[in-house]
Amino acid sequence: AQSVTQLGSHVSVSEGALVLLRCNYSSSVPPYLFWYVQYPNQGLQLLLKYTTGATLVKGINGFEAEFKKSETSFHLTKPSAHMSDAAEYFCAVSEGNSGYSTLTFGKGTMLLVSP
Amino acid sequence: DSGVTQTPKHLITATGQRVTLRCSPRSGDLSVYWYQQSLDQGLQFLIQYYNGEERAKGNILERFSAQQFPDLHSELNLSSLELGDSALYFCASSAPSGASTDTQYFGPGTRLTVL
Repeated sequence: AQSVTQLGSHVSVSEGALVLLRCNYSSSVPPYLFWYVQYPNQGLQLLLKYTTGATLVKGINGFEAEFKKSETSFHLTKPSAHMSDAAEYFCAVSEGNSGYSTLTFGKGTMLLVSP
Repeated sequence: DSGVTQTPKHLITATGQRVTLRCSPRSGDLSVYWYQQSLDQGLQFLIQYYNGEERAKGNILERFSAQQFPDLHSELNLSSLELGDSALYFCASSAPSGASTDTQYFGPGTRLTVL
C-alpha cells in the first residue's frame, strides 16, 4: 500500500525566504508524485507532478520539486516566498502501472508567510 | 476555475438524514473521483467512476454510494448521516485515459454539516 508523509503541519517563512516543504512516500511500485495547493475555501490546484523522465520538475508560481528515489522523497521548494503563497500544500502519490488513478494524499502542510 | 462544478456549496442537515451531492466533470473528462476532507482524517479517496462504471474504491462507507450518469455527471449519496460525516466533499475529474499519470482537476467542494 502506498502512503505519504509530510513533515510539519505548519511551516512559517518570511517574505523573500526560501520555501521548503517536505514529502516522503512509500510505494511498492514506481510512483507518480503530485503537489497540490489549496487556498482558503477553494478546491485543490495542481502545482506540479512527476511521472517519468527528468527528476527535477518545475511547476506553476515558481515552485519546483525533485524526485529522489534513493531517499523516497519529493520535496517542494521555491527560492523566494510571496505573501500570496500562503496556503495549504498537499503531496500525493499515485501508483504507476495500476491502470487507474487514485491519489493518496499526505496530511498537508500549511505555509504561513510573514512580511 | 478548474472546470469542475459541484452543487450545492453548503449543506446543513440532521443526523439520520440522506443527502445527494452533485458533480459535473470538465468537458471531455470521463473519470470522476470523490474525496472526503476532514480535520481528523485529512483527504481521503472514496470512489472513482470511469465512463459510467465503477473503477476503484477507497475508504467509502457502506452508507455512502455513488453513480455516474450517461451525461458523465456524478452523484454521491450519503445516508443515515452521523455527526462524523461532517466534512468537505470534493469531486475531481481527469482526462479520458483514466491512467495513473493523469492530472486530477478538483471542484470547489461541498461543505456538509451534520447537526
